[in-house]
Amino acid sequence: QSVLTQPPSVSAAPGQKVTISCSGSSSNIGSNYVSWYQQLPGTAPKLLIYDNNKRPSGIPDRFSGSKSGTSATLGITGLQTGDEADYYCGTWDISLSAVVFGGGTKLTVL
Amino acid sequence: EVQLVESGGGLVQPGRSLRLSCTASRFTFGDYAMSWVRQAPGKGLEWVGLIRSKTYGGTTEYAASVIGRFNISRDDSKSIAYLQMNSLKTEDTAVYYCTKGGLPIDYWGQGTLVTVSS
Repeated sequence: QSVLTQPPSVSAAPGQKVTISCSGSSSNIGSNYVSWYQQLPGTAPKLLIYDNNKRPSGIPDRFSGSKSGTSATLGITGLQTGDEADYYCGTWDISLSAVVFGGGTKLTVL
Repeated sequence: EVQLVESGGGLVQPGRSLRLSCTASRFTFGDYAMSWVRQAPGKGLEWVGLIRSKTYGGTTEYAASVIGRFNISRDDSKSIAYLQMNSLKTEDTAVYYCTKGGLPIDYWGQGTLVTVSS
C-alpha cells in the first residue's frame, strides 16, 4: 500500500487531454514539493515535473503539474502514442523521514 | 549528459550480502545527494535510501523496510556511491536504480537486477 494514492490506470484518445491525480496527506504533499516521473516500457524513470509545476529542460509544455492542499495533479495534453507509460508522483514525507512514491498510473493512449 | 552506471547485481541466496556500486560522471558528484530506488518485477517504485553531500553532513536516510540491513556510502574522490545490502530477503528482489539527487530525482541510472533466491 503506497503512501501516495494514484489511480491504477487512465486512458484517452490521441490528441485528447488526461489528468492523473496523486493524493497524500499533510505530512507529505501538504508540506513538500511534488515531482512526477515517466517510465516508458522497459526503461528507467525520467523526471517530468519538479517543484509541483516546473518542467526540466527538454520536457514539452504538453506536460503540466499542479498542487492543491494534499493533492497533486499531472496533466498531459495533445496525447501521443509515445506517451504510453507508467507515471509516478513522489515527495518527501516528514513523518517517515523518507521519500514516498505513488503506486503508479498506467496511461493508455487508445 | 549526466551518466550513472550501476554494477554488482546478480543472483544471491537469502541471508547473504551484496554490494552495488554506482559510478557517476559528467557532474560534480560531491555536490549532490545520491539515492537508491528499487522496483520489484511488475511493481512500482520504492525508495531505498539516500546519502547527502558532505556539505550537508553526508548523512543517510533509509526506508523502514531496509533499516538495519542496508547501508549507503559514497567515495567522492572516485565519484562512486555504494549500496551495501546485508541479510537479504526474497522480497528484496528488484531492479535497483542509482539516482542523482534527493528530491527531485533528476537523473536515473539504467538499473541493475538483484535476485534473491535459493
